[in-house]
Amino acid sequence: GAVVSQHPSWVICKSGTSVKIECRSLDFQATTMFWYRQFPKQSLMLMATSNEGSKATYEQGVEKDKFLINHASLTLSTLTVTSAHPEDSSFYICSASPQGSYGYTFGSGTRLTVV
Amino acid sequence: GESVGLHLPTLSVQEGDNSIINCAYSNSASDYFIWYKQESGKGPQFIIDIRSNMDKRQGQRVTVLLNKTVKHLSLQIAATQPGDSAVYFCAENAFNQFYFGTGTSLTVIP
Repeated sequence: GAVVSQHPSWVICKSGTSVKIECRSLDFQATTMFWYRQFPKQSLMLMATSNEGSKATYEQGVEKDKFLINHASLTLSTLTVTSAHPEDSSFYICSASPQGSYGYTFGSGTRLTVV
Repeated sequence: GESVGLHLPTLSVQEGDNSIINCAYSNSASDYFIWYKQESGKGPQFIIDIRSNMDKRQGQRVTVLLNKTVKHLSLQIAATQPGDSAVYFCAENAFNQFYFGTGTSLTVIP
């Protein structure tokens, strides 16, 4: 089955630093990947749609300069949280879908803690 | 944004009993629905899906029912086991995007 790998699974960083999260489709190519954010005991909130070879599409209210997305290849999308602040602490999850499939596979998530 | 909500935020069931988790969606144009299971600290895991041209689909120990008339989706888990304890989300595909419900926390009592 389709596998999406996310790395790192857990990161702690200092305020003001930047953190990069990787999302890889291991056994399929994904022209589109999605990035979600999840607060404790809440649902997933779509942040942006990552498009291979072009700019990401951000949801309303998501700062483009804060959450940089790069989708340089058909198997890798990265989310960089720039100048992180404690309020950016959250669980970030990516997902992708094999071409021709309706279903989406999720990565294992990245727990970001900004101190 | 679209609204996909769950009627019950928490559900406790006895091991061996059947569980029913409900979901209401708002967009009549949604044509595809998925149930996901999320364990603590992990990403969502696909359980079962259903397209809008169906009203029932069965998997291993799970059944999804779709009532388009009242925009209602349910997940039935047969013979619930302790390993089924998790948060369950429904998601609807509308306009090529998925919208997730709030989630229901299922606790299985041994």
